[in-house]
Amino acid sequence: GAGVSQTPSNKVTEKGKYVELRCDPISGHTALYWYRQSLGQGPEFLIYFQGTGAADDSGLPNDRFFAVRPEGSVSTLKIQRTERGDSAVYLCASSLGGTGADTQYFGPGTRLTVL
Amino acid sequence: EDQVTQSPEALRLQEGESSSLNCSYTVSGLRGLFWYRQDPGKGPEFLFTLYSAGEEKEKERLKATLTKKESFLHITAPKPEDSATYLCAVQAATGRRALTFGSGTRLQVQP
Repeated sequence: GAGVSQTPSNKVTEKGKYVELRCDPISGHTALYWYRQSLGQGPEFLIYFQGTGAADDSGLPNDRFFAVRPEGSVSTLKIQRTERGDSAVYLCASSLGGTGADTQYFGPGTRLTVL
Repeated sequence: EDQVTQSPEALRLQEGESSSLNCSYTVSGLRGLFWYRQDPGKGPEFLFTLYSAGEEKEKERLKATLTKKESFLHITAPKPEDSATYLCAVQAATGRRALTFGSGTRLQVQP
């Protein structure tokens, strides 16, 4: 079946602009995660949704970052007043959302460059 | 705070030369330890989940093992197509679902 998809694959923006990154999870997966990966580092957690609600947003770096998942499927990560330090690859993952250590499957990522 | 440390940072092998990658972790109760493979420009690809000390899992030339403090990814007779970054991550048993990742080991297998 289809995996996690993310759009756009690349986004170049100017400092101070607003950007939206989209994630389509695997069909039937109730849990959705956003991570951010800088060059040479492992992914860092941003936010986790179970269904429509943000169950854990402890990884969001500041209030410029916001994410929604209004219908419990597609999610959008929104970044306001972008800064050069926001440049990274933004990864989305989804899982079945069970009580055990359910596997998170990752999308290809969106590479964000803030000039 | 959960922590994951991977070593070495980079490893260069000749085709057929077996080796092991290390993942040391500290976590407040382990729900699961995950191994992923990541190719340049791609997202992490799931390899294994390990749940408790003593557990082992195999897939083709890869074998993952787990103790109470570390995990090893053993690569037997690697091929050039095994070249990638291998990421280790833990999920705590506290109810928090986020994965904590190490920085990865960049593996290059030369023909």
